[in-house]
Amino acid sequence: KAGVTQTPRYLIKTRGQQVTLSCSPISGHRSVSWYQQTPGQGLQFLFEYFSETQRNKGNFPGRFSGRQFSNSRSEMNVSTLELGDSALYLCASSRTGTGTEAFFGQGTRLTVV
Amino acid sequence: QKEVEQNSGPLSVPEGAIASLNCTYSDRVSQSFFWYRQYSGKSPELIMSIYSNGDKEDGRFTAQLNKASQYVSLLIRDSQPSDSATYLCAATPLSGGYNKLIFGAGTRLAVHP
Repeated sequence: KAGVTQTPRYLIKTRGQQVTLSCSPISGHRSVSWYQQTPGQGLQFLFEYFSETQRNKGNFPGRFSGRQFSNSRSEMNVSTLELGDSALYLCASSRTGTGTEAFFGQGTRLTVV
Repeated sequence: QKEVEQNSGPLSVPEGAIASLNCTYSDRVSQSFFWYRQYSGKSPELIMSIYSNGDKEDGRFTAQLNKASQYVSLLIRDSQPSDSATYLCAATPLSGGYNKLIFGAGTRLAVHP
């Protein structure tokens, strides 16, 4: 059974650019959540999508957005990149429901220069 | 008070000993708790989930949940150098959280031969 797949694994972008990250959840999982991990702030929740709808959002600026497709694959976008956006972006896949186990992908390491 | 708190460590234990990792939580989180292991440069890996008061065992790992005292712990028996990693405690919000996870800062465990 395939795990959570995130692409790309590494990205280097310039300030002001935008970036799109992709996540394919475990087959049968319909909930996809995104997290940002930095040394200073730890793991912070960005948003969760379920059945193509955002049903939860963390405390991040509007430059961070996402969407989910009918096949449960999800993308997140960061516009007008700032140096502080450099982080490991993680996608987590869960079954339907609330408080169910979440399984993480390998992450996308974004570096903003 | 932070919603989920952990001692950052490092917790150093000799090979073969029991490692005890602790996590406390506030009234703002629910009764769904998770332990993740994260090796340096890798993504978090789910070790255990615990939803009910008491103990839950899986191989060398035992998770303990004490609702009255609002703490959850992870015991690792017969610790091995390969267990050296950061252990993250996570919980879901008390209301409207769906699959959102709130993470502690993580405890670094070092198992020395």
